[in-house]
Amino acid sequence: GNSVTQMEGPVTLSEEAFLTINCTYTATGYPSLFWYVQYPGEGLQLLLKATKADDKGSNKGFEATYRKETTSFHLEKGSVQVSDSAVYFCALQSGGTSYGKLTFGQGTILTVHP
Amino acid sequence: EAGVAQSPRYKIIEKRQSVAFWCNPISGHATLYWYQQILGQGPKLLIQFQNNGVVDDSQLPKDRFSAERLKGVDSTLKIQPAKLEDSAVYLCASSLGVTSNTEAFFGQGTRLTVV
Repeated sequence: GNSVTQMEGPVTLSEEAFLTINCTYTATGYPSLFWYVQYPGEGLQLLLKATKADDKGSNKGFEATYRKETTSFHLEKGSVQVSDSAVYFCALQSGGTSYGKLTFGQGTILTVHP
Repeated sequence: EAGVAQSPRYKIIEKRQSVAFWCNPISGHATLYWYQQILGQGPKLLIQFQNNGVVDDSQLPKDRFSAERLKGVDSTLKIQPAKLEDSAVYLCASSLGVTSNTEAFFGQGTRLTVV
């Protein structure tokens, strides 16, 4: 079945540091890949997505590239801010009988200090 | 545009009691999902509706959980009787359809504590 594995957290960084959160997946076929973010006290929000191999999703300075050869979708940001402190979830969506269903990783807590 | 509305935000019940959660999706969204998020884990799909029909309920513990989506709009998720391990955040999400180009929008969730 489908699965998503994220790097162990939590991650603690200083403001303006470089961020990488690793994500690898197992899926049949050609899934779409997503990063969702959950700010304190809020619901899950879509951060970025990529729907085919070599696509790069980007939003708010965050980027992730769909690497089919390594089954990865690592999240990166060149300079994090305190306001980026949140929980980040990698997810995939594949076809089949329940198209639309998202399979999530376990989440990575990011804390950015001034 | 109003988002996905869920109620209540918090609920504390004793084990073996029953509880119900309500979700109002974004207007016009045909697909509705219920996810369970246990502390420290990612959300896991419980049930997916397309209009008022069930598309996937393979992970729903049907001996105690039930869900309905009358008239293809609002949805209710019920647990009866609750167990300690049901303590989690229950997330409702909706989308226009089920393709990769249709974003799923999530509500703020209902945090259930079973004591």
